[in-house]
Amino acid sequence: QVQLQQSGPRLVKPSQTLSLTCAISGDSVSSESVAWNWIRQSPSRGLEWLARTYYRSKWYNDYAESVKSRITIYPDTSKNQLSLQLNSVTPEDTAVYYCARASGIAATNDYWGRGTLVTVSS
Amino acid sequence: DIVMTQSPLSLPVTPGEPASISCRSSQSLLHTNEYNYLHWYLQKPGQSPQLLIYLNSNRASGVPDRFSGSGSGTDFTLKISRVEAEDVGVYFCMQAIDTPRITFGQGTRLEIK
Repeated sequence: QVQLQQSGPRLVKPSQTLSLTCAISGDSVSSESVAWNWIRQSPSRGLEWLARTYYRSKWYNDYAESVKSRITIYPDTSKNQLSLQLNSVTPEDTAVYYCARASGIAATNDYWGRGTLVTVSS
Repeated sequence: DIVMTQSPLSLPVTPGEPASISCRSSQSLLHTNEYNYLHWYLQKPGQSPQLLIYLNSNRASGVPDRFSGSGSGTDFTLKISRVEAEDVGVYFCMQAIDTPRITFGQGTRLEIK
């Protein structure tokens, strides 16, 4: 059974960096048959895909255009986890952040973390 | 980005009665492999979204057969044959034809009358 355990600060000041970690059990971050996503949810923006990482002989990353200039997703194979950094946050980045595994031919997000509510406020 | 539009946004249902949710996409979700890249999720109160239906009509593991998905191209429907109390929550459709730029519908809140 795949489990995704999220961790990270729940309060971030404006202009600072949001950092979250997703520890994976029951699968490998470097599995060549899945991908790993960060998705966020807010009342104003709904569910919004942010970033993806996956390994196919080498690492690939994709980012949403809306955050591309200030976001980084990176895997940590030694700890079997993936992380997210979002720089220069504003109150509009306040949301519940989820990590999720995508598998199958249509990259179905079949396992999700519990979500972390991150509030951007001074 | 592909825009996903759901209706209705709120759906009060009497237990035992059927329910239906519509999802429309701004572009066709029909892949050249003949699968429609449309998934359905249910987010129960206080929980993460959970996969209900993948590739338009395939129930995820453990999903009761009262849930079914249909449609093709840009018009899709999720049906619940007989609503139960445990079905309350927000239902989302999601397109994966433009992976990784997946997008979701606004959500349909199902409540029990």
